[in-house]
Amino acid sequence: GAVVSQHPSRVICKSGTSVKIECRSLDFQATTMFWYRQFPKKSLMLMATSNEGSKATYEQGVEKDKFLINHASLTLSTLTVTSAHPEDSSFYICSASKGGGTLEAFFGQGTRLTVV
Amino acid sequence: AQSVSQHNHHVILSEAASLELGCNYSYGGTVNLFWYVQYPGQHLQLLLKYFSGDPLVKGIKGFEAEFIKSKFSFNLRKPSVQWSDTAEYFCAVNGANQGGKLIFGQGTELSVKP
Repeated sequence: GAVVSQHPSRVICKSGTSVKIECRSLDFQATTMFWYRQFPKKSLMLMATSNEGSKATYEQGVEKDKFLINHASLTLSTLTVTSAHPEDSSFYICSASKGGGTLEAFFGQGTRLTVV
Repeated sequence: AQSVSQHNHHVILSEAASLELGCNYSYGGTVNLFWYVQYPGQHLQLLLKYFSGDPLVKGIKGFEAEFIKSKFSFNLRKPSVQWSDTAEYFCAVNGANQGGKLIFGQGTELSVKP
């Protein structure tokens, strides 16, 4: 199978602090990982694409200095929400692709971030 | 720009009713199409996918979808729904050479009454 794990599944943080979310591919090497944000009753919005060993590519309107993405290895990508504010509260989901022309991506279980 | 539109935001059905969820996309090239399901409290799961070949695609749990290129549509169907099908359904598309990068529709919430 192809399993993607996110950690933590839920996190509550104080306004102004930073939060790191991990996305791991457990049984395959993910050359590319994607980060999405899902608002309540809304669809998933692609935030950025991260490739192992290179800078992430951010979608239009996503602040790269606020949402720091690091894809340090073929099995791990991290999303750090810096100086979090209540409006950053959301459901963040990662997916991972095996690359090499593989079209399917596998999703993590998501992280519910609440900023108080 | 690529976009995906799902016509129904919330569908309520009784068990054994037939289901059809609409999905239309906008993309100026070859596309790959997906339907994902998100059960309450769980992560996205792939229901089915279309890359090429037979436009009628069968997926898991009795779901199928038909790709109609002329209509830019990829509607999801199931002949007889069950209470356990209650979930959020997402249509998604990516273009050729975009790897796993997906553009999602708004989602359709399906509620099946027992």
